Amino acid sequence: DQQVKQNSPSLSVQEGRISILNCDYTNSMFDYFLWYKKYPAEGPTFLISISSIKDKNEDGRFTVFLNKSAKHLSLHIVPSQPGDSAVYFCAASEGGNEKLTFGTGTRLTIIP
Amino acid sequence: DAGITQSPRHKVTETGTPVTLRCHQTENHRYMYWYRQDPGHGLRLIHYSYGVKDTDKGEVSDGYSVSRSKTEDFLLTLESATSSQTSVYFCATSPLSVSGYEQFFGPGTRLTVL
Repeated sequence: DQQVKQNSPSLSVQEGRISILNCDYTNSMFDYFLWYKKYPAEGPTFLISISSIKDKNEDGRFTVFLNKSAKHLSLHIVPSQPGDSAVYFCAASEGGNEKLTFGTGTRLTIIP
Repeated sequence: DAGITQSPRHKVTETGTPVTLRCHQTENHRYMYWYRQDPGHGLRLIHYSYGVKDTDKGEVSDGYSVSRSKTEDFLLTLESATSSQTSVYFCATSPLSVSGYEQFFGPGTRLTVL
């Protein structure tokens, strides 16, 4: 049972435009959400997070939106740059639990 | 970076042989994790540790064992490797503070079981 779902395996976006990556979850007890970025042959690196008490968190070009009623979060990257080409994973944590549940990832390709 | 190294980085082995992967951290983080990454499955938790000699199972623990005798080292052992354990294995650590639940990942070990 996949509790965190990323339904788009891949996404292509023109350089300079907005990239929107989506993530859905089924466990209503999840209260902390994270996005990770992964380049080939490297480990995932933390990008941005959001607590369930917020609906938006920004860090430079990256913004994460959380819609608790829809159990949906999204990552916006504006403007998209070639270096943003990577696989993006969303992850969720339940009540301060030490474990994270990851989605299957979305491969983002930025077209110059 | 959390100063996490994994060894070996690449390994090819045969079915039925034992394999041990090592994760070493220099950040004194309490929590350590082993994940495997497979196409279509994302990152799946194998085992994790919440302190020296304290470990627990994750989502896909069958066929794997772990040990943590020191804060900085977390070992993952495949007692008798099978082809289904061909994967990329990632170690992660976390201080698990009230400021957040981020985990920091090592560079990965690519394991091929023939």
